[in-house]
Amino acid sequence: SAVISQKPSRDICQRGTSLTIQCQVDSQVTMMFWYRQQPGQSLTLIATANQGSEATYESGFVIDKFPISRPNLTFSTLTVSNMSPEDSSIYLCSAPGGRDGYTFGSGTRLTVV
Amino acid sequence: AQRVTQPEKLLSVFKGAPVELKCNYSYSGSPELFWYVQYSRQRLQLLLRHISRESIKGFTADLNKGETSFHLKKPFAQEEDSAMYYCALRAAGNKLTFGGGTRVLVKP
Repeated sequence: SAVISQKPSRDICQRGTSLTIQCQVDSQVTMMFWYRQQPGQSLTLIATANQGSEATYESGFVIDKFPISRPNLTFSTLTVSNMSPEDSSIYLCSAPGGRDGYTFGSGTRLTVV
Repeated sequence: AQRVTQPEKLLSVFKGAPVELKCNYSYSGSPELFWYVQYSRQRLQLLLRHISRESIKGFTADLNKGETSFHLKKPFAQEEDSAMYYCALRAAGNKLTFGGGTRVLVKP
């Protein structure tokens, strides 16, 4: 099954700044997914990233706040823009993996101060 | 819209006791359901999915369409089963919807 390398693993950022999270997959995948996991809560899908087209955002998430790039079939980035403390969360990327499930990155723990 | 509910945030059992994690879903289409597990300091990983009807690490889960449930069971819990468990539903567009998660603590 696919293996995803995600970085950074954690960061502490000042409010108003932006952070870009990267995910590298060791095989080509058509779709990648970005999730947010707020403290004490479950995973919420932010958007689906397809290569060669704009990302599809879920309700409550917008491109200006969470721009996504998908330059090829093995890589994607998510930027958290103009951060506020409410953006403090774990951010995860995911891609279809073995046994028809999904494989996940190790997560980025973001703290905004 | 689809929804996945895990009513228990925490399950605490003794080693060797049975454990059952509840999962209920709502979805208008034909559901595809999964259980994911996250051990301490590890990434989220697939435990099992309903289509394969397999037993992984002694865990089983049966899809009950009448009750819209996909409960996860293990007859004899082990300490290494302590982890966070998420029930998830795959809908159109290959998107996963996760339940709120259940933390399992197996005491010696």
